[in-house]
Amino acid sequence: AQTVTQSQPEMSVQEAETVTLSCTYDTSESDYYLFWYKQPPSRQMILVIRQEAYKQQNATENRFSVNFQKAAKSFSLKISDSQLGDAAMYFCAFVTQGAQKLVFGQGTRLTINP
Amino acid sequence: GAVVSQHPSWVICKSGTSVKIECRSLDFQATTMFWYRQFPKQSLMLMATSNEGSKATYEQGVEKDKFLINHASLTLSTLTVTSAHPEDSSFYICSRDRGGYQETQYFGPGTRLLVL
Repeated sequence: AQTVTQSQPEMSVQEAETVTLSCTYDTSESDYYLFWYKQPPSRQMILVIRQEAYKQQNATENRFSVNFQKAAKSFSLKISDSQLGDAAMYFCAFVTQGAQKLVFGQGTRLTINP
Repeated sequence: GAVVSQHPSWVICKSGTSVKIECRSLDFQATTMFWYRQFPKQSLMLMATSNEGSKATYEQGVEKDKFLINHASLTLSTLTVTSAHPEDSSFYICSRDRGGYQETQYFGPGTRLLVL
């Protein structure tokens, strides 16, 4: 079975500091894509960042970057210079070859302390 | 800007009535769209994959007769909750990709359904 595990139900960080959200996944496939989505209080799902499994280079998007460890099946999200607007639920997800369906983790609620 | 819209955003209905939720792809002709359900403080649960011009593919445990999906055009998929009951109250979200397993899914803003 393909699964995604986010072991941190809740995280908090001081504004302007850095926080890392953890994600591990399990699949027997070698070709897949990984995503981090953000769901703020409005509940609109917003793509934060995506990573192609065949790429060794970690994806970055401004203050957001990932640490992709394919052998360990780990895909953590680092948020630098945290801002109040970063407060949200963060979901890790992946999709594998031959399947269009996203597999989601349980989510991590991130709180930003001013 | 938004690439997927949903209507209505909020609906309250009486038990036993049916409710239709529309999902529109605004910038792309989507042959496939997806319907999710999300309970408070939980993750998204895929209900079904909506296929333009053919029957939807439902996930295990999802009642096909309860949640009717129609994908009559390349930009519109509808989810009808038939004979709604209080336990159907939830947040329903649709999404679309551009086709293919590697494509990013973009989500609608969701519809809150409350069945009294």
